[in-house]
Amino acid sequence: KAGVTQTPRYLIKTRGQQVTLSCSPISGHRSVSWYQQTPGQGLQFLFEYFSETQRNKGNFPGRFSGRQFSNSRSEMNVSTLELGDSALYLCASSLGGLQGSGTQYFGPGTRLTVL
Amino acid sequence: TQLLEQSPQFLSIQEGENLTVYCNSSSVFSSLQWYRQEPGEGPVLLVTVVTGGEVKKLKRLTFQFGDARKDSSLHITAAQPGDTGLYLCAGSGYALNFGKGTSLLVTP
Repeated sequence: KAGVTQTPRYLIKTRGQQVTLSCSPISGHRSVSWYQQTPGQGLQFLFEYFSETQRNKGNFPGRFSGRQFSNSRSEMNVSTLELGDSALYLCASSLGGLQGSGTQYFGPGTRLTVL
Repeated sequence: TQLLEQSPQFLSIQEGENLTVYCNSSSVFSSLQWYRQEPGEGPVLLVTVVTGGEVKKLKRLTFQFGDARKDSSLHITAAQPGDTGLYLCAGSGYALNFGKGTSLLVTP
């Protein structure tokens, strides 16, 4: 069974631009969660989608948004990029989501650099 | 947000040594997970501990969940270079609350 895939793996943008990241979960998984990982703050929860509905949201500004499609693939969008948005963005999929007891499987991440 | 503090932040040891990594919080968690992350990859789940006082062993790795379910430790016996990586603990909640991790380097 294929694992979680994220595209692109690397991305360089400039301040003020917007970016869209994509995550394809493991087949059959209905939950996709997104995390931001930086050296200073570690892994921080952005949001979770389950069956196309946002179920939980972390403490990030409204510039960070996401959506999930009927095939469970998810996209995350960041608008008006700031230097501080440079990070590794990870998505994780699971069968039952964060409120269930299922294991979270992480993708390799997208490394975003904002210049 | 329930904070998880991991210590030490960095650890550099030689092959064959033993080590312990700690994960502490002032909050109670229904379960706690340990992950290992290698450069360029996402975290990979090592173990989930659920019951206070629980001890789980995974080959040379021993995980313990505190009696009060507020803390956990990871002990590695006879570390090998393949153990090198970032070790993360995460407490369950409406989201996974991660500690900042312990970066382990095992040199031959």
